[in-house]
Amino acid sequence: DQQVKQNSPSLSVQEGRISILNCDYTNSMFDYFLWYKKYPAEGPTFLISISSIKDKNEDGRFTVFLNKSAKHLSLHIVPSQPGDSAVYFCAASANSGGSNYKLTFGKGTLLTVNP
Amino acid sequence: NAGVTQTPKFRILKIGQSMTLQCTQDMNHNYMYWYRQDPGMGLKLIYYSVGAGITDKGEVPNGYNVSRSTTEDFPLRLELAAPSQTSVYFCASRGRHEQFFGPGTRLTVL
Repeated sequence: DQQVKQNSPSLSVQEGRISILNCDYTNSMFDYFLWYKKYPAEGPTFLISISSIKDKNEDGRFTVFLNKSAKHLSLHIVPSQPGDSAVYFCAASANSGGSNYKLTFGKGTLLTVNP
Repeated sequence: NAGVTQTPKFRILKIGQSMTLQCTQDMNHNYMYWYRQDPGMGLKLIYYSVGAGITDKGEVPNGYNVSRSTTEDFPLRLELAAPSQTSVYFCASRGRHEQFFGPGTRLTVL
């Protein structure tokens, strides 16, 4: 029972163009969402997050959009750079009700940015 | 400020052997977590701790044990290693909202 789904295992874009990574969730209790970036042989690093009280959060080239009614979020990277090539994980947390801030991860999307 | 550190980086175990994966954080975080990542899969929570002396099971705890005697350290113990425990193990600690991850331990059980 996958509560966080990233349906695209991979995505390839040209340098300078927009990268859009998608994530769907099924658990209505999730109220905080995060994106992590992972390079080979390294641990995931936090990229950007969004609370369920917002529908957009922006940090430089990275923007996360949240559509609560559709239980869908997306990460936009503009412009994409070759150094953005990595696996991107979507994660969700139910930060209330004694959840202890546990994260549920999607399977990841491998982004390749071609020069 | 080293963040989250893990040792060893790599390890090969024989079936039935035991080992402890070490994890230390220097950010004074109360919450700490252990995950495993299998190829093509997301991270799955093994155990977590909300503070020294308090631990609880995650999604996939079978075959593992943890302890938390200090805020800084959260070791993961594998008893009677099995091939199904071949994976990459990540330790994390929680800041205000996000979790900070260590570099991982790649474990192979043969």
